[in-house]
Amino acid sequence: IAGITQAPTSQILAAGRRMTLRCTQDMRHNAMYWYRQDLGLGLRLIHYSNTAGTTGKGEVPDGYSVSRANTDDFPLTLASAVPSQTSVYFCASSTSGGGDEQFFGPGTRLTVL
Amino acid sequence: GQNIDQPTEMTATEGAIVQINCTYQTSGFNGLFWYQQHAGEAPTFLSYNVLDGLEEKGRFSSFLSRSKGYSYLLLKELQMKDSASYLCAVCDSNYQLIWGAGTKLIIKP
Repeated sequence: IAGITQAPTSQILAAGRRMTLRCTQDMRHNAMYWYRQDLGLGLRLIHYSNTAGTTGKGEVPDGYSVSRANTDDFPLTLASAVPSQTSVYFCASSTSGGGDEQFFGPGTRLTVL
Repeated sequence: GQNIDQPTEMTATEGAIVQINCTYQTSGFNGLFWYQQHAGEAPTFLSYNVLDGLEEKGRFSSFLSRSKGYSYLLLKELQMKDSASYLCAVCDSNYQLIWGAGTKLIIKP
């Protein structure tokens, strides 16, 4: 692994189903983030984690949950998917949570029908 | 509320110069970032400004005026590969990035 990876690359999901998007980084970064990107809107922060064992809510956290059991992994779970959660999801990481450069994964394109 | 404004789309000619503007109103300021995002790909870091003035990095330069809540990204000697979206983001008082919607730059031969 080099950098930050996400899985799956894309997914079509029925409404009401549970889904976990995976994110792994090998840069030993303390901070990790989940964003969604929708056409015409800027990246919006869903949840973040400044260090392993801690998480925080971003701008649009409703319907999503995260965990940070270790430094490398930061999964995002949709407990019961709805069509408005159709989006491209990017995971990112940075050295610290102090506003430094963020490195992005390749993204997951999620469609909820 | 917090707001980042940048033009939706710009068109420029190969070999020319283009300036992409960004204005912001945020709760606090801890730096401004510019990212490049090619279609279907992840954003990648271009520049960071925290003090007023111009930062130059090869063909790309970024300017900041904190008193005016204004930044621009200047791209010189445009190449076809510069066709992409350019995202402006401000680090607010909580050290979270607030993102603009991005400017889609179209380069014509």
